[in-house]
Amino acid sequence: DTGVSQNPRHKITKRGQNVTFRCDPISEHNRLYWYRQTLGQGPEFLTYFQNEAQLEKSRLLSDRFSAERPKGSFSTLEIQRTEQGDSAMYLCASSPRRAASYNEQFFGPGTRLTVL
Amino acid sequence: ILNVEQSPQSLHVQEGDSTNFTCSFPSSNFYALHWYRWETAKSPEALFVMTLNGDEKKKGRISATLNTKEGYSYLYIKGSQPEDSATYLCAFLEYGNKLVFGAGTILRVKS
Repeated sequence: DTGVSQNPRHKITKRGQNVTFRCDPISEHNRLYWYRQTLGQGPEFLTYFQNEAQLEKSRLLSDRFSAERPKGSFSTLEIQRTEQGDSAMYLCASSPRRAASYNEQFFGPGTRLTVL
Repeated sequence: ILNVEQSPQSLHVQEGDSTNFTCSFPSSNFYALHWYRWETAKSPEALFVMTLNGDEKKKGRISATLNTKEGYSYLYIKGSQPEDSATYLCAFLEYGNKLVFGAGTILRVKS
């Protein structure tokens, strides 16, 4: 399968614990995005990488959140000191950099986080 | 703050019914409008990327239209099937890289 993969698919944690999610984009896609989706809402943009550079971060991304894409391939999203309000589906997407693609993004299946 | 709205929030139809949903978005600074289908436990799947006013795109029984001057897009499904049950998301692309999503329309098709 050559699509975007995310691990784990589900994570249950206790409040105050740290969690880390991984996203493997489609090979050779140089753009990678993280989104968060809560119940009844559409996906909300969190952050965006072009290769290894993090180019934009949403105000939703508090200082407890950090994302990396060390070699411009896979990315990790870490949440420190989790809170119940962090419970959500975390989606990763990638897109190629080519003219006239209008930023068509290819999504992974998401990681569902539940904070108890 | 960009606001993308979708209606209805949810829809229950019988197999064979045709249906349509609406996506409203800002009419200024338009660059593209994306439609995605998201089935439970799967990845959101791109349906259409629409860029030109008056665009009409079709994929099988699903089609979409775009009006950038008034800021809306319609998604139509002809002869709904149970496998069409999913959440349909639209997303607005301002010039740049960030997609702003609506809350989605949940479609349930009963056989």
